[in-house]
Amino acid sequence: GNSVTQMEGPVTLSEEAFLTINCTYTATGYPSLFWYVQYPGEGLQLLLKATKADDKGSNKGFEATYRKETTSFHLEKGSVQVSDSAVYFCALNSGGGADGLTFGKGTHLIIQP
Amino acid sequence: DVKVTQSSRYLVKRTGEKVFLECVQDMDHENMFWYRQDPGLGLRLIYFSYDVKMKEKGDIPEGYSVSREKKERFSLILESASTNQTSMYLCASSWRGYQPQHFGDGTRLSIL
Repeated sequence: GNSVTQMEGPVTLSEEAFLTINCTYTATGYPSLFWYVQYPGEGLQLLLKATKADDKGSNKGFEATYRKETTSFHLEKGSVQVSDSAVYFCALNSGGGADGLTFGKGTHLIIQP
Repeated sequence: DVKVTQSSRYLVKRTGEKVFLECVQDMDHENMFWYRQDPGLGLRLIYFSYDVKMKEKGDIPEGYSVSREKKERFSLILESASTNQTSMYLCASSWRGYQPQHFGDGTRLSIL
């Protein structure tokens, strides 16, 4: 079956530090990959996505590249801000879209001023 | 912007009650989903639907049922609520295909 493994937090960084959150996956077929972000008290928001190998998704300074050879989709940002503090979820979909997403357990990111 | 609206942000019910959680989306999406979110477990799929009156079990359907009588509305039903169903419940919707899902703000349900 499908599975997603991501580093669990909390991850604490100082403002303007470089961020990497690792994500690896196991899936049948050719999944689409997603990063979602959840701010306190809110639902999940799509941060970025990639639908095929070597695609790079990007949004709000965050980037992730679909690496089929290493089955990874690591999230990166060059300079984090306090407002980036949130929980980040890596997810995949391999069922043609009608199936639900398979999520990692989430990484709690804390950015200190 | 896609809007997924869940009827309640917070809900408190008693053991044994029948509980209804409602979700409405305004983008004519074919697919709708119910997840529960628990600390240390992430999000787990309960049920999903790819069309009106169609439903499919997810990873943890036991103790739950769903209803989709209209395309825009997807209801989650706890037939006889138990304390282990205390959780955050998230509804989502999407187009067909490998499209991202759009989430509501969640319902925090407490079963006493």
